[in-house]
Order: sequence, then structure tokens, then C-alpha cells
Amino acid sequence: DTAVSQTPKYLVTQMGNDKSIKCEQNLGHDTMYWYKQDSKKFLKIMFSYNNKELIINETVPNRFSPKSPDKAHLNLHINSLELGDSAVYFCASSQEIMSAARVNYGYTFGSGTRLTVV
Amino acid sequence: DQQVKQNSPSLSVQEGRISILNCDYTNSMFDYFLWYKKYPAEGPTFLISISSIKDKNEDGRFTVFLNKSAKHLSLHIVPSQPGDSAVYFCAASGGSNYKLTFGKGTLLTVNP
Repeated sequence: DTAVSQTPKYLVTQMGNDKSIKCEQNLGHDTMYWYKQDSKKFLKIMFSYNNKELIINETVPNRFSPKSPDKAHLNLHINSLELGDSAVYFCASSQEIMSAARVNYGYTFGSGTRLTVV
Repeated sequence: DQQVKQNSPSLSVQEGRISILNCDYTNSMFDYFLWYKKYPAEGPTFLISISSIKDKNEDGRFTVFLNKSAKHLSLHIVPSQPGDSAVYFCAASGGSNYKLTFGKGTLLTVNP
């Protein structure tokens, strides 16, 4: 039973189209994220939601719009796709874990969506 | 502006020997550091973490060392196994929003 699942796994589309990537987590985590891994292999945060509220919004074109209908889902909608949007998009979730030392947390990532814009 | 740097894009090690992966950071506000492992066509998986109040954390074959004065951390894998072959990402965070800043990754190849 996949903890963080994203669909589709592969997406090939033409420039100018609008597309969505869906993400669902069954871990009961409060926080979800979208990361982008570009051609240079950097993993960069795009958005973060905590209990359906946007808490991180990095410098991302406003063609990208996240939507969180509930805390288990964080979808990414992209309008007017451009060639430069081609990348692997990873969804992730996290939860605070209290420990004796401090709050610990680790992300659980989905397997990624490879978006190719042609 | 790369706040987390992994300067070695790749590392090749013989099975049974030690693998040492290095990571440097520039942001003094970072106080929590993590290592992730990634196989092709899969998402990164959490491996081990360390808080800035510690200088070492060990979990089985994996040990992470933190040198705060040098803003440097390293991941030691002993003994290395062929199944450890993957891309290893260093990540760091600071503050309350749990945002992780990742390095570019190091491809580790463990040869049988």
C-alpha cells in the first residue's frame, strides 16, 4: 500500500496545454510538498501545505497552482505549459516527530512524475 | 545560490570498503540535516538525520558526522554493499516551516 502516491508517473504534452498532477498520502501527515527536480538534478521546493493551508510558496510562475482539498491530497495544476517546465515533480509529506533531543521529521516522497513538454 | 553543496557528483567504491559522502552548507540558520537515498525512477527515501546539537548519529552501517564550525557533514557507509548503489542527497533545514534545501546529489557505485 503506497504511502505517497502520485499520478501520472509519466506525462508528455504539448506546449500551451494545461495539465494536473495528483498526489495523495495515507500516512496521516499534516504537511505536504511539491518539489521539482530539474535537468541539473537539483531538488527545489515549490509549495508546502499544512492542514490545507499554504505555508511555503517559493518563487514559482503563477502558471503553477497547488490545490489541497484535504490534508491527504495536494494536487498541482500547471497552465500554459512551457518547454522549461519539463522536469520530474515529486510530491512529499512530513509529520513532526517529537524526540528527546528535538523535533525530528523526515519527508516521505512519492515516486515522481516525469513531465515532458514538447 | 547553492546553500547545500555536494561537490562530488560521483563516487566509486569496492564492496566491503567504506563509502564517505560529503556535504557542505553555507546557511548558519540550518540546524537539522538529513541524508536521502534515491534509486532510478523512484522518489528519495529518508536514510538518516542529525540535529545540530549532536556531532554524530549512527544507524547500523550508516553514520552521519556533523562539523558545525566547518559547516560540513559526511555520511559514512561501512561496509559498503552493491545494493547501496544509488544517488545520495544531503538536505538541510532551519526554522519552523520544515522546508528542506537539497544538494545536487552524489551517485555512489559500489562494485562487487
